[in-house]
Amino acid sequence: GQNIDQPTEMTATEGAIVQINCTYQTSGFNGLFWYQQHAGEAPTFLSYNVLDGLEEKGRFSSFLSRSKGYSYLLLKELQMKDSASYLCANPNTGKLIFGQGTTLQVKP
Amino acid sequence: ETGVTQTPRHLVMGMTNKKSLKCEQHLGHNAMYWYKQSAKKPLELMFVYNFKEQTENNSVPSRFSPECPNSSHLFLHLHTLQPEDSALYLCASSHGMNTEAFFGQGTRLTVV
Repeated sequence: GQNIDQPTEMTATEGAIVQINCTYQTSGFNGLFWYQQHAGEAPTFLSYNVLDGLEEKGRFSSFLSRSKGYSYLLLKELQMKDSASYLCANPNTGKLIFGQGTTLQVKP
Repeated sequence: ETGVTQTPRHLVMGMTNKKSLKCEQHLGHNAMYWYKQSAKKPLELMFVYNFKEQTENNSVPSRFSPECPNSSHLFLHLHTLQPEDSALYLCASSHGMNTEAFFGQGTRLTVV
């Protein structure tokens, strides 16, 4: 079986840092993806973690702990355009299974 | 431009209609997927094709019928749908089965 949990909504202030958590339970592990989806648009790839630790990519970083079944996406220097849904996903035997997504609202 | 193109972008159909959604990718990917996205729900995987062969049918009702004539094209044939089938239908493709997926813009389907 497979279960992915994320908070439903978060609010943060422009210029701040926000951390979006994702916990997962899966019978097989092949990495953890993060996607960004703006309203009415397609999800776009942000990051992929397969080993433990932090991967930094500009303002966005993603962390993975396989032993804890836990990942987070860290967004720094928030901008208004970062308001979107953030989806974590686990590929398992060829199926990319998504969590419910976290809707982030960035306020001035 | 994501490399994955879906048509139409919007579709309104009656419950007795037959329509088809089309997805096309020119990224050289071998795997293609159909997802359903309803309001306030996670993306739901519907079908997976790998090298034109269906490898996953996630308990989808038979009123949804996929077709994959080649690795670049994927269709979703719709027949006698219900209003609860109204959703955003997203197509995606990937190079392998456990690699990054690229999504199309989706078809916003409304069943009346």
